[in-house]
Amino acid sequence: AQSVTQLGSHVSVSEGALVLLRCNYSSSVPPYLFWYVQYPNQGLQLLLKYTSAATLVKGINGFEAEFKKSETSFHLTKPSAHMSDAAEYFCAVRPSGSARQLTFGSGTQLTVLP
Amino acid sequence: EAGVAQSPRYKIIEKRQSVAFWCNPISGHATLYWYQQILGQGPKLLIQFQNNGVVDDSQLPKDRFSAERLKGVDSTLKIQPAKLEDSAVYLCASSLDYGGAYNEQFFGPGTRLTVL
Repeated sequence: AQSVTQLGSHVSVSEGALVLLRCNYSSSVPPYLFWYVQYPNQGLQLLLKYTSAATLVKGINGFEAEFKKSETSFHLTKPSAHMSDAAEYFCAVRPSGSARQLTFGSGTQLTVLP
Repeated sequence: EAGVAQSPRYKIIEKRQSVAFWCNPISGHATLYWYQQILGQGPKLLIQFQNNGVVDDSQLPKDRFSAERLKGVDSTLKIQPAKLEDSAVYLCASSLDYGGAYNEQFFGPGTRLTVL
């Protein structure tokens, strides 16, 4: 079964600093990978996705992620954090070539300090 | 375009009571999903519908949970009887089509259930 592991349940950065949220997946073949953001009392919103095209994926709100097969990683980055980035972030995996279910990681709560 | 609608937003019940949640997906979306999100965890799929048929309900606790999507549009998720461990946020999502290489799932705001 495919799974994702998010390292660090809580991450704090200063406003303007680099944001790095880590996600590692386990899969025998490269899957589809996703990052979602969840603001308080709201549903999940798709930030970006990897579907076997370019390994560097750009998403909304200045976020990007790089698929690294050798490291089985799909870390999320943003060069400069903004207060509005404070939220919970989820990495998710789905078998490639299939519309089967998403499997989510346990989430990383991002705090942005002034 | 209207998003995925869910109601109620909050519900508090006592254990052994029954509860139902409602979801109206984005118009035209064939696939509908119900997820359970326990505090501190990522969402877990409970059931997936394509139109009004069940595609995957392997993680649905069928002894107490049921779901239906009778006309292939809105859906209801029911818990009867509720247990303390059912306290969670129940998220509904929809996507355009089951087939194809990729279909983005759009999520509703969720229903926060507290079982006392």
